[in-house]
Amino acid sequence: GDSVTQTEGQVALSEEDFLTIHCNYSASGYPTLFWYVQYPGEGPQLLFRASRDKEKGSSRGFEATYDKGTTSFHLRKASVQESDSAVYYCALSEGNAGAKLTFGGGTRLTVRP
Amino acid sequence: GGIITQTPKFLIGQEGQKLTLKCQQNFNHDTMYWYRQDSGKGLRLIYYSITENDLQKGDLSEGYDASREKKSSFSLTVTSAQKNEMAVFLCASSIQGERLFFGHGTKLSVL
Repeated sequence: GDSVTQTEGQVALSEEDFLTIHCNYSASGYPTLFWYVQYPGEGPQLLFRASRDKEKGSSRGFEATYDKGTTSFHLRKASVQESDSAVYYCALSEGNAGAKLTFGGGTRLTVRP
Repeated sequence: GGIITQTPKFLIGQEGQKLTLKCQQNFNHDTMYWYRQDSGKGLRLIYYSITENDLQKGDLSEGYDASREKKSSFSLTVTSAQKNEMAVFLCASSIQGERLFFGHGTKLSVL
C-alpha cells in the first residue's frame, strides 16, 4: 500500500535558521502530494500541495518540489520564526483512489526566539 | 466558509465500554474521514465515507465502527475501549480527497 516517511520526528532551531524536513513516499500510481501544518489545540490545515513532477508548492515562505525520480517532497524554509513552531505532516493522495489521504508520522518543529 | 464540529472535545471512558464520537460539517462536502492521531505515528485512517450511507475501511478499522446517516454527519464508535488508551480522534471532510478540512479533535482517555 501507499506510505509516507518523514525522517525527522523532531526538529529544534533558532529564529532565522534554515529548515528542511525530509519526506519520501511510496505509491503505485502518480499521487498528489501535500504538506499540512497543525498548531496546538487545532486540527491540521493545508499548507500547500503539488500534483505533477517538478511542480513547486509554496505558502507562507515554505516550499517543496515534487520529485518523482527520488519520490520526495522535502519541506524547506529559508528563515524560520518562532510562530512557525508546529507539527508538520507530509501526505499523499492517489488519484485513482480518489478520497483516501495517507499521512506521514509528523515532524514537531520548535523554534527558539 | 464552513466548519467541522466534533463532540465531545474530551471523552473519558472505562475499559470495555462502547464509546461514540460525533462529527458535523457544513461545507456540504461529499467525503468525510476519521483519523486517529498518536504521538510519533502521525495520522492513521480509521474509516472514510464518500457519500451518505457509504463506508470504506482505512488501515486502522479493527475495533471501530462508523456510521454516515446523512451527508453532514459522520460518527465513530470505539466498540470496546482498551485500558490506558489515550489518543486524539480527528474528523475531516473534503471534496474527493482534494484538501481536507479538519475539526479540532476529540481527546480520548480510558481509565
